[in-house]
Amino acid sequence: NAGVTQTPKFRILKIGQSMTLQCTQDMNHNYMYWYRQDPGMGLKLIYYSVGAGITDKGEVPNGYNVSRSTTEDFPLRLELAAPSQTSVYFCASWGAEAFFGQGTRLTVV
Amino acid sequence: DAKTTQPTSMDCAEGRAANLPCNHSTISGNEYVYWYRQIHSQGPQYIIHGLKNNETNEMASLIITEDRKSSTLILPHATLRDTAVYYCIVRGLGAFNAGGTSYGKLTFGQGTILTVHP
Repeated sequence: NAGVTQTPKFRILKIGQSMTLQCTQDMNHNYMYWYRQDPGMGLKLIYYSVGAGITDKGEVPNGYNVSRSTTEDFPLRLELAAPSQTSVYFCASWGAEAFFGQGTRLTVV
Repeated sequence: DAKTTQPTSMDCAEGRAANLPCNHSTISGNEYVYWYRQIHSQGPQYIIHGLKNNETNEMASLIITEDRKSSTLILPHATLRDTAVYYCIVRGLGAFNAGGTSYGKLTFGQGTILTVHP
């Protein structure tokens, strides 16, 4: 049972580049979440999904897009990377409790 | 989700009990209280949750007041490895609360920075 798996663990992007952060869970959870955490700060909700085909904005959605075509996968897309998107990104899924991935450290230079 | 209020930081001596408070005065009748912690920059880790009765597991105890407007997480014998940020959140287990609002949107507050010192 792998839980929540995020890839990649680390990435450096140049300004204006695009990338997709992958998140997969094997617990058949309907609820999935993307958070970002800036240094010394708390978790900010970017997007969430309550099931396949259903997504909604969180607190800080600008600059990001998501899709949820399957229960297992919830990728986060950055279209035009900006230095302000330098952060650690966490994916989570929720059943009776929340399970978090180990994070993706993204640096935009 | 109901809002929670926690102190910004707390200290505790190693080996002593750490008591972390949380206020959730707007909690609904079917919303649970959850506690998570985050060590360094790892993903948050589940600790414990409860509805209205006190709960205990191998990591901690959770004391919820009778009116459910506040709770306390107790680490009975804190160690240096318990130094972390502790988050208290409230959430229902179903898809919607009694008012028909989705439980989907789950936000975290700033949490309490617990420092355990020798």
